[in-house]
Amino acid sequence: GEDVEQSLFLSVREGDSSVINCTYTDSSSTYLYWYKQEPGAGLQLLTYIFSNMDMKQDQRLTVLLNKKDKHLSLRIADTQTGDSAIYFCAEFTGGSYIPTFGRGTSLIVHP
Amino acid sequence: NAGVTQTPKFQVLKTGQSMTLQCAQDMNHNSMYWYRQDPGMGLRLIYYSASEGTTDKGEVPNGYNVSRLNKREFSLRLESAAPSQTSVYFCASNGVQRTDTQYFGPGTRLTVL
Repeated sequence: GEDVEQSLFLSVREGDSSVINCTYTDSSSTYLYWYKQEPGAGLQLLTYIFSNMDMKQDQRLTVLLNKKDKHLSLRIADTQTGDSAIYFCAEFTGGSYIPTFGRGTSLIVHP
Repeated sequence: NAGVTQTPKFQVLKTGQSMTLQCAQDMNHNSMYWYRQDPGMGLRLIYYSASEGTTDKGEVPNGYNVSRLNKREFSLRLESAAPSQTSVYFCASNGVQRTDTQYFGPGTRLTVL
């Protein structure tokens, strides 16, 4: 079956880089997404990557995809206190309208 | 565009009461979803509607019903609320293309006493 796993917590110092990891089991995953959820709000898309890509960079965000190991990571450079939030990894498989979400990683940024 | 809107934002019910959570989107999306979010559990899909006129069960449908009233609106009904349904409920929608992300509403915080 499909499963997406993430560690639950990550704590970093302001200005450092954050790396949030995600593993998935469905080899037919076509699209992989990262969402950010700020306190009291819904999820917002941060970035996505197609399964035929290895890397995608978008300003301070870098997504790396290792298809062999079914591992996805999100790197946030120069992490700021405003980056404190829950980050969700999600996958869409071909032919399905239902994404599978991980449980979310709470990122805490200290001054 | 307002995106995805949900009402109410907060609700307190007593066990056994019923209520309907409303969701609407103005992006002409085909697919709409209802999720619940509980601490440490991530998002769990309750019901979804791939297109107007169709609805399907998700991972945790028991105790809920849905109506896809038209292309814009997708409501979630709790017929007899239970304390286990205390949660934050999110509605989401996305278009036909897989590259279309899901757009989420701001959520409804429901407490059942």
